[in-house]
Amino acid sequence: AQKVTQAQTEISVVEKEDVTLDCVYETRDTTYYLFWYKQPPSGELVFLIRRNSFDEQNEISGRYSWNFQKSTSSFNFTITASQVVDSAVYFCALSGGYNFNKFYFGSGTKLNVKP
Amino acid sequence: GAGVSQSPSNKVTEKGKDVELRCDPISGHTALYWYRQSLGQGLEFLIYFQGNSAPDKSGLPSDRFSAERTGGSVSTLTIQRTQQEDSAVYLCASSLSPTLDYEQYFGPGTRLTVT
Repeated sequence: AQKVTQAQTEISVVEKEDVTLDCVYETRDTTYYLFWYKQPPSGELVFLIRRNSFDEQNEISGRYSWNFQKSTSSFNFTITASQVVDSAVYFCALSGGYNFNKFYFGSGTKLNVKP
Repeated sequence: GAGVSQSPSNKVTEKGKDVELRCDPISGHTALYWYRQSLGQGLEFLIYFQGNSAPDKSGLPSDRFSAERTGGSVSTLTIQRTQQEDSAVYLCASSLSPTLDYEQYFGPGTRLTVT
């Protein structure tokens, strides 16, 4: 069974603080993909990153970085020097198995960045 | 360019009525997805279309839900005999390719309220 757990329901930080959003996944598949999406207050989800299960290299994109660790089944997302515009709900998702187009989303983490 | 559009943006209906939700994907995108987002929850996969292939309906919660995609473009999600638990935001997404080389682009959603 595929499952994604985002244990942090809501996080509040002050601008310029670093913040890490946790994502833990469950799958029996050896080949799978992990994703992060951002849902700002406007409502439209925005794709942030995709990772396949064979690529454990961490990735950095500006203030965003992702830490993929298969040993702990985690795919955590860190925002460095957070800004108010980072306030949104962030979703982690997983796809794999016989149907890579069927995505399993976590329940999301709401990030509040206060000025 | 134009993104994924959905209509209506809001729909209030009485329990027992049928509703139709529309999705216009990005032109040229062959893959189309429907998701449901209940209050405070993650996204729940409903159905996936790829070109002229048979859709993956494995996420539809009951036989009251159906969807079609005409001409490989516009899609309609129909909910018959709506129930209060159907109240949610229904999101549509499209992607250029059924493979995961291309990200999913999400529409703004239709907020359905069943009274």
